[in-house]
Amino acid sequence: AQSVTQLDSQVPVFEEAPVELRCNYSSSVSVYLFWYVQYPNQGLQLLLKYLSGSTLVKGINGFEAEFNKSQTSFHLRKPSVHISDTAEYFCAVRAGGYQKVTFGTGTKLQVIP
Amino acid sequence: KAGVTQTPRYLIKTRGQQVTLSCSPISGHRSVSWYQQTPGQGLQFLFEYFSETQRNKGNFPGRFSGRQFSNSRSEMNVSTLELGDSALYLCASSNRGETSQETQYFGPGTRLLVL
Repeated sequence: AQSVTQLDSQVPVFEEAPVELRCNYSSSVSVYLFWYVQYPNQGLQLLLKYLSGSTLVKGINGFEAEFNKSQTSFHLRKPSVHISDTAEYFCAVRAGGYQKVTFGTGTKLQVIP
Repeated sequence: KAGVTQTPRYLIKTRGQQVTLSCSPISGHRSVSWYQQTPGQGLQFLFEYFSETQRNKGNFPGRFSGRQFSNSRSEMNVSTLELGDSALYLCASSNRGETSQETQYFGPGTRLLVL
């Protein structure tokens, strides 16, 4: 079975400051990892994904994430946040084969002007 | 390409009624997944359909059912509605083929309120 843990339910950060949203996963097999963003009253939008290859993945809106197999982590980072980054962020994992996607509980990022 | 569309966007029902939600995937996508999102439980997987066959199923009671048509459009049905079924129901489509290297694209969701 696979699981995802997002350690922080809320993260306040000042505008233009850097941010890291943490995500840890567990799985007995190789995994594919995703970060999604959800703005109020909207569906989820893919930020980035790790399937294989380079462990540093760059996504949209200046976000990036690093896959760390030894620490089973996939933390999301942005060097300088903007007010428009205020949203809820979800980490997700899919094990190999035709397994379902498992989502974390989400982290609400609040950017303070 | 048009994105994933879900209808209706908003629904208000009373306990005991049933409801049908519809999802039209991105053109060419054959996989459709459904999720329930609530403040307390977060995003929970309901089921996934691929080429009209249910491929995966989450831990929901039998009141929750779904199907997929030959054009990949999908519907989910909830019978005998309960107050706890109030949620945002999200549909996601993907171009899942023989490998798992696909990306899910989400629709805007249907917000269901059960009174």
